[in-house]
Amino acid sequence: DQQVKQNSPSLSVQEGRISILNCDYTNSMFDYFLWYKKYPAEGPTFLISISSIKDKNEDGRFTVFLNKSAKHLSLHIVPSQPGDSAVYFCAASDGPYKYIFGTGTRLKVLA
Amino acid sequence: GAGVSQSPSNKVTEKGKDVELRCDPISGHTALYWYRQSLGQGLEFLIYFQGNSAPDKSGLPSDRFSAERTGGSVSTLTIQRTQQEDSAVYLCASSLGSSQETQYFGPGTRLLVL
Repeated sequence: DQQVKQNSPSLSVQEGRISILNCDYTNSMFDYFLWYKKYPAEGPTFLISISSIKDKNEDGRFTVFLNKSAKHLSLHIVPSQPGDSAVYFCAASDGPYKYIFGTGTRLKVLA
Repeated sequence: GAGVSQSPSNKVTEKGKDVELRCDPISGHTALYWYRQSLGQGLEFLIYFQGNSAPDKSGLPSDRFSAERTGGSVSTLTIQRTQQEDSAVYLCASSLGSSQETQYFGPGTRLLVL
């Protein structure tokens, strides 16, 4: 049973436009959420995180939104750049270290 | 400094053979994690080491899987009597501590069991 779900396996966006990647979770005990980016043949790299006490966290072009009542989080990238093309994983945690990852969304930013 | 390194980068083995996968964490990181990513799946937690504490092995899928961490640094994940369903990318990560610290991942070992 997938506790963290990324229902869109892929997404294509034009360069300069906004990319919105979505993630849903089922466990209301999750209190910390992260997004990782993964390029081919590389390990995932940390992108941005959010604690459950917040509903928004922003870092440059990347913003994560958390809707606890809907058990939903999203990652917004604006403006999207070709270098953003990668697989994006959301992850959730209900403890100090154990992350539950989604299956990933492959983002392709078209030049 | 250097990131997390893993070896080998690729491993092809025959069903029934044992394999050892190695992880060198970032120097000074006390926490080390192993994950597995099977085709079309998310990253699946396998095992967690923190300092000298007993590891959390709750994610290991069977008793054919084991891991150790020597001297609080290098870790080895061993899979005995490999099966085709063990084919996956095995990822290692490390972090400074354990309290929701950012986990830094290595490039992974791609294991193929024929």
